Order: sequence, then C-alpha cells, then structure tokens
Amino acid sequence: AQSVAQPEDQVNVAEGNPLTVKCTYSVSGNPYLFWYVQYPNRGLQFLLKYITGDNLVKGSYGFEAEFNKSQTSFHLKKPSALVSDSALYFCAVRVLGSSNTGKLIFGQGTTLQVKP
Amino acid sequence: DAGVTQSPTHLIKTRGQHVTLRCSPISGHKSVSWYQQVLGQGPQFIFQYYEKEERGRGNFPDRFSARQFPNYSSELNVNALLLGDSALYLCASSGTGTQFETQYFGPGTRLLVL
Repeated sequence: AQSVAQPEDQVNVAEGNPLTVKCTYSVSGNPYLFWYVQYPNRGLQFLLKYITGDNLVKGSYGFEAEFNKSQTSFHLKKPSALVSDSALYFCAVRVLGSSNTGKLIFGQGTTLQVKP
Repeated sequence: DAGVTQSPTHLIKTRGQHVTLRCSPISGHKSVSWYQQVLGQGPQFIFQYYEKEERGRGNFPDRFSARQFPNYSSELNVNALLLGDSALYLCASSGTGTQFETQYFGPGTRLLVL
C-alpha cells in the first residue's frame, strides 16, 4: 500500500536557525512528491515538488527539499527559519500508473513552531 | 489571477441533513479533486473529475457524490449527514489531473454536523 509518514508531530526551532521537517514514503513505482503548508483556517499552499531530475528541489519562500531514493525520504529544509514559517506542513505523494491519477496521499502533518 | 474558490466558507448542519459544497477551479484548469480533512489529520481523497467525468474515487460511502459542470466548476454532495462528516472539505484544481501536475487548493469549506 502507498503511504507517507511524517514521524514528528511537532518541530521547534529558533528563528534564524536551519529547519528540517521529515517525510518518508512507501510506494510502488516512481514517486511524485509534494510539500504543502497550511496556515490556521486556510487551505493548503503548494511549496515544491519532485518529479524527476536533481534530487535537491527549490521551492517557494526559501524552502527546499532533498529527495533520497535509497532512504525513501523527501525532507523539507530551510537554511534560516522565520517566525512567519510557523504553520502545519504536509508531505504528499502521487504514483505513476495509478488509476487514480489525481489522487494525493498525505502524511499526518508536522506543526512547525519557530520561536523568536 | 483568481485562485480556487469555494463556497460556503462555513456551514452548520444537523445529522441526517444533506449538504452541497461548491468549487470553482483556477481559470484554464479542467480537473477538480475533493478532499476531506478531519481535525488533526492529513487530507483524504474523495473524488477527482476531469472533463466532467469521474477519474477516481476514494474510500468514502455512497452518501458522498460529486459532479463537474461544463464550466469545470464542481459540487460535492453529502447525504444523510453523520457527526463524523464534520471536517474541512478542500477542493483542488489542476490542468489535466495527471500525476505530474501540481494541485492547487482552495480555502476549504468547514462543515460542522450537530
């Protein structure tokens, strides 16, 4: 079965420090991986995606993610956290060849708290 | 450009009632997907439509139905509401709905069933 795991319910980091939000996946076939952010009482905002090519993907608001096929991971990173980055982050995967071509499978989400 | 829009933003219903949620995709997008997000969990896929045809259906009961109109807007209908249907319902649009494409989400409709 296809699944996504975000092992940390919450990540705390001080402003200005680097941050990492972890994501691992389990799929058959090539994964298409996405990160979204959700602010309180809002929908999901797209941050970045990995389809193919360079394992380091750059996205919106200074975020980047590293795809690691051997470790089946797609961790979200940012070199210097801002208080305004505090939000709920979701990792998601879609698999080539699935009859559900538009179906995203989401992790449980990780709350990022950036303290001043 | 306008993003994905959803209406209403909030809704309160009682058990057994019926609800209709509406979604307008980004201009030029022909695929719409619906997700249910229960508090504390990630979104769960309900339906995908492309060119007015159902492309996929998640593990939801037949009380849930949807349709897509010629202008690519969509409705999600839920009959015989249960307390467990209380959730944020998210609509997402993409160009053709393929695996490679980004899905862009609307702000959601928050449904409370009493």
